[in-house]
Amino acid sequence: GQQLNQSPQSMFIQEGEDVSMNCTSSSIFNTWLWYKQDPGEGPVLLIALYKAGELTSNGRLTAQFGITRKDSFLNISASIPSDVGIYFCAGQRRDSNYQLIWGAGTKLIIKP
Amino acid sequence: NAGVTQTPKFRILKIGQSMTLQCTQDMNHNYMYWYRQDPGMGLKLIYYSVGAGITDKGEVPNGYNVSRSTTEDFPLRLELAAPSQTSVYFCASKAGDFYGYTFGSGTRLTVV
Repeated sequence: GQQLNQSPQSMFIQEGEDVSMNCTSSSIFNTWLWYKQDPGEGPVLLIALYKAGELTSNGRLTAQFGITRKDSFLNISASIPSDVGIYFCAGQRRDSNYQLIWGAGTKLIIKP
Repeated sequence: NAGVTQTPKFRILKIGQSMTLQCTQDMNHNYMYWYRQDPGMGLKLIYYSVGAGITDKGEVPNGYNVSRSTTEDFPLRLELAAPSQTSVYFCASKAGDFYGYTFGSGTRLTVV
């Protein structure tokens, strides 16, 4: 099935560093969503984006809906140990009945 | 504030056995979904429902069945379990087209 291209696949960073990840697609989307999944848990919604160009923050997290509507990025500033997990992007399209199309995830690992 | 509740959390099945994974939500959401997540992978849609009495196939429906007799409940039935169905299963719901999904904490199924 169709998937979004999410990169990087994994990141090893030092505590306190900033993190950036992105998702791209050949198709346009009406909504972009970013989720975080902790081990043994279901994904939890972090940020939802509804308009091209929209920049939204949630604490230390900032996400943007690309102007072309084909991409989105997520930034995490000043990473802390609890940021560890897998981050998924997901897009919704009106012509797909707004079903979520998922990226493969970015695994964030923080070096002690 | 329960959200989406899945039971059981863990289950081991023998090849050929059947079982039902339960999912219930108390948010009065019309849309409900079943996903599977294989190790190190993103989520794949099995079945979804846009309201009571309405279900439809997702990306990987073979070997599964669903029903939606009430708004709250969306059980997933596995008939004749196979090792390829070893996975973590997530149920999710959302209020409408533009909303993000709320996920349950998952059912980890092993077929031996």
